[in-house]
Amino acid sequence: KAGVTQTPRYLIKTRGQQVTLSCSPISGHRSVSWYQQTPGQGLQFLFEYFSETQRNKGNFPGRFSGRQFSNSRSEMNVSTLELGDSALYLCASSLDLSGTLKSYEQYFGPGTRLTVT
Amino acid sequence: GNSVTQMEGPVTLSEEAFLTINCTYTATGYPSLFWYVQYPGEGLQLLLKATKADDKGSNKGFEATYRKETTSFHLEKGSVQVSDSAVYFCALSESAGGTSYGKLTFGQGTILTVHP
Repeated sequence: KAGVTQTPRYLIKTRGQQVTLSCSPISGHRSVSWYQQTPGQGLQFLFEYFSETQRNKGNFPGRFSGRQFSNSRSEMNVSTLELGDSALYLCASSLDLSGTLKSYEQYFGPGTRLTVT
Repeated sequence: GNSVTQMEGPVTLSEEAFLTINCTYTATGYPSLFWYVQYPGEGLQLLLKATKADDKGSNKGFEATYRKETTSFHLEKGSVQVSDSAVYFCALSESAGGTSYGKLTFGQGTILTVHP
């Protein structure tokens, strides 16, 4: 079974621009979560989507947004990029079946490395 | 809110040495606990997990026991190998009826380097 895929793997943008990152979960997985990883702040939760609805949200400004499609694929968007948005953005998916604890395990993609100049 | 604290790193060991990476947590509910590993240039891989008190998670020679009384989940391995060199993250997620399974709270990570 194919793992979580993220595109693109690397991205360079300029301050003020916007960017869209894509995540394809493992086939059959229904929940997708996004995390930001930086040397200073570590791994921080951005948001989680389940059945096309945002179910959880972290403490990030409104410039960070996301969505999930009917096939569970997800995108996240960052508008008006700042230098501090340079980070590795990780996507994780889980099966998420009520009553099955194992199904909540999250599987991570390789990440998208975003550099803002 | 929830938080996870890992021991300061980096940790440098010789091959076949004993490894301990300390992890303590603060949670409002009854969380599930995880250890993830990240190799250079890759995403995170789930190493092991425990979902209730006194559970022991184990995988690839690594072990960690969910200690509710000390709110800890320390990672141990009896004999490390060069291939274990990576960054290790302790994490928790809320459970027991909540809707927060998809939100992991991570520790700051511990860099492990194993020399031959």
